[in-house]
Amino acid sequence: GAGVSQSPRYKVAKRGQDVALRCDPISGHVSLFWYQQALGQGPEFLTYFQNEAQLDKSGLPSDRFFAERPEGSVSTLKIQRTQQEDSAVYLCASSPQDTEAFFGQGTRLTVV
Amino acid sequence: AQSVTQLDSHVSVSEGTPVLLRCNYSSSYSPSLFWYVQHPNKGLQLLLKYTSAATLVKGINGFEAEFKKSETSFHLTKPSAHMSDAAEYFCVVRDGYQKVTFGTGTKLQVIP
Repeated sequence: GAGVSQSPRYKVAKRGQDVALRCDPISGHVSLFWYQQALGQGPEFLTYFQNEAQLDKSGLPSDRFFAERPEGSVSTLKIQRTQQEDSAVYLCASSPQDTEAFFGQGTRLTVV
Repeated sequence: AQSVTQLDSHVSVSEGTPVLLRCNYSSSYSPSLFWYVQHPNKGLQLLLKYTSAATLVKGINGFEAEFKKSETSFHLTKPSAHMSDAAEYFCVVRDGYQKVTFGTGTKLQVIP
């Protein structure tokens, strides 16, 4: 596709349920980022991959959050035992080398 | 380490008057700097970018920004505000292959 694609666009999870959010970056983009954007706030960094290597995961808020990019392309952000405070829009972005990041539309997660 | 400070959380201007959104950055290297815009319930759109070429950068929709190394600033300007400019604006910094770091955002209100 032409842009970064995220799925699902919307996800409602019951508290305690595990969820998996998918990101398809632009083909050939080396860098991939995940951000969390709470309502009315700016995007907060979660984690960063260069190819399949996770170079920075300092933003993951707890050990319930896990991200992978096993083949250096598609990435999955997994949240275990979801809590209400996990409700947010999760943004994925990719970039070629060290230039600007291209963002997907995000996945809006609502934990009820 | 890199960081971004957006000096105003809210800016209000009248339609047809100039816009100034302020951004200061901190970076260990020669950074790349970006401005993104986010309209309500929309994705992040790149307005403009500075990547060590010309210090005055022109973007979409009549916006421009000037990189001033001595002041570590990258303020966003537009000569005449339009109602459609009402949105949230994010100043973003990236050091080479490092993660993309967002400022806290500035909400622009345009008064008719």
